[in-house]
Amino acid sequence: NAGVTQTPKFRVLKTGQSMTLLCAQDMNHEYMYWYRQDPGMGLRLIHYSVGEGTTAKGEVPDGYNVSRLKKQNFLLGLESAAPSQTSVYFCASSRNRDSGTRNEQFFGPGTRLTVL
Amino acid sequence: AQSVTQLDSHVSVSEGTPVLLRCNYSSSYSPSLFWYVQHPNKGLQLLLKYTSAATLVKGINGFEAEFKKSETSFHLTKPSAHMSDVAEYFCVIMDSNYQLIWGAGTKLIIKP
Repeated sequence: NAGVTQTPKFRVLKTGQSMTLLCAQDMNHEYMYWYRQDPGMGLRLIHYSVGEGTTAKGEVPDGYNVSRLKKQNFLLGLESAAPSQTSVYFCASSRNRDSGTRNEQFFGPGTRLTVL
Repeated sequence: AQSVTQLDSHVSVSEGTPVLLRCNYSSSYSPSLFWYVQHPNKGLQLLLKYTSAATLVKGINGFEAEFKKSETSFHLTKPSAHMSDVAEYFCVIMDSNYQLIWGAGTKLIIKP
């Protein structure tokens, strides 16, 4: 199993450009998440999905859109990139989200995005 | 609302000495708490989690954490630090919507 994979690993954009980050998981997980990580801060949830075809906003959703057309894929889009979106982006997935033993989130390796 | 506070942004210890990374939490109910580790230029990995079973939780790589309700703490410890423990450690709490709320992280530095 590859687990959670993210493409690309690095990207540099100019202000106003658009791009899509792809997250894929091969664990048949229902839940998928997009986070951003900024220096001196913990991860912050951008959007998440509780199943194919459904998405919901997290803590910092502005400037991002997501889609979950297939269970194994979760796409994060930036329509018009801004320097404030320079960050490291992590995707994660989990089987479910309760407080029991099966809610562990598995993380991808991250995408380092710089917006000039 | 639930929150976590990691009391130290950096902790430096000598190899072979004990490690203590401090985390306090705020929650109106009995929380689920986690510690994640991020090694340099790597993704995040679950170290251990507390979900209202035993208050002393053992994790991977010799780490353990103790849930203390009276002190609202969930400190991470290891008896003997190793160079491979150099990483950033995050204390995390699950909120009432089952979302993870992350602490700011503690960077662990090991002196040879």
